[in-house]
Amino acid sequence: QQQVKQSPQSLIVQKGGISIINCAYENTAFDYFPWYQQFPGKGPALLIAIRPDVSEKKEGRFTISFNKSAKQFSLHIMDSQPGDSATYFCAAPGGAGNMLTFGGGTRLMVKP
Amino acid sequence: KAGVTQTPRYLIKTRGQQVTLSCSPISGHRSVSWYQQTPGQGLQFLFEYFSETQRNKGNFPGRFSGRQFSNSRSEMNVSTLELGDSALYLCASSFPAPGQGDDEQFFGPGTRLTVL
Repeated sequence: QQQVKQSPQSLIVQKGGISIINCAYENTAFDYFPWYQQFPGKGPALLIAIRPDVSEKKEGRFTISFNKSAKQFSLHIMDSQPGDSATYFCAAPGGAGNMLTFGGGTRLMVKP
Repeated sequence: KAGVTQTPRYLIKTRGQQVTLSCSPISGHRSVSWYQQTPGQGLQFLFEYFSETQRNKGNFPGRFSGRQFSNSRSEMNVSTLELGDSALYLCASSFPAPGQGDDEQFFGPGTRLTVL
């Protein structure tokens, strides 16, 4: 089971700023890297995902950047809003089937 | 379409007891995975069921078990509860495409288990 290391553990950003969360993985055999967003009292929800055949994927204000050689990928939240305040998890497939290995999570707070 | 539902939402048990948690996946989804979420260990995979068969298992003791029924609903059981089992237990369902490990997983709100 591979490990996924996520940083930082917490992040405070002013409204309108850019939030950046980083993840590093070990196993190069897998090809799907999702980011999940979790609000208090809710289960995680898929935010955006990338395959390593592209170096970047953008959906609205959310962008994943992928560096296959460095085995790293990051989430950028542009024009961060207070409604983005949540915990973010990166993940990678951890084995057969739908098993996901999650990073430790980043608690993002966007100040008005 | 209704989302993933989990029952009960909250549960309080004492050490040594056993507990059963239930998960109803999104209609049409055949894969159900279970995760344990704690502040210290984060989100950890417990097991996955597909077509009533356990397809994958995480690194948890045998006290943790599960099953899936023919309608894809799933239950997980924890026997001989320990204080460290206090956690949010999350269920996720997906409609798997054969041969792929990148199916979007839809999570339920979880069951908050407190062991006293």
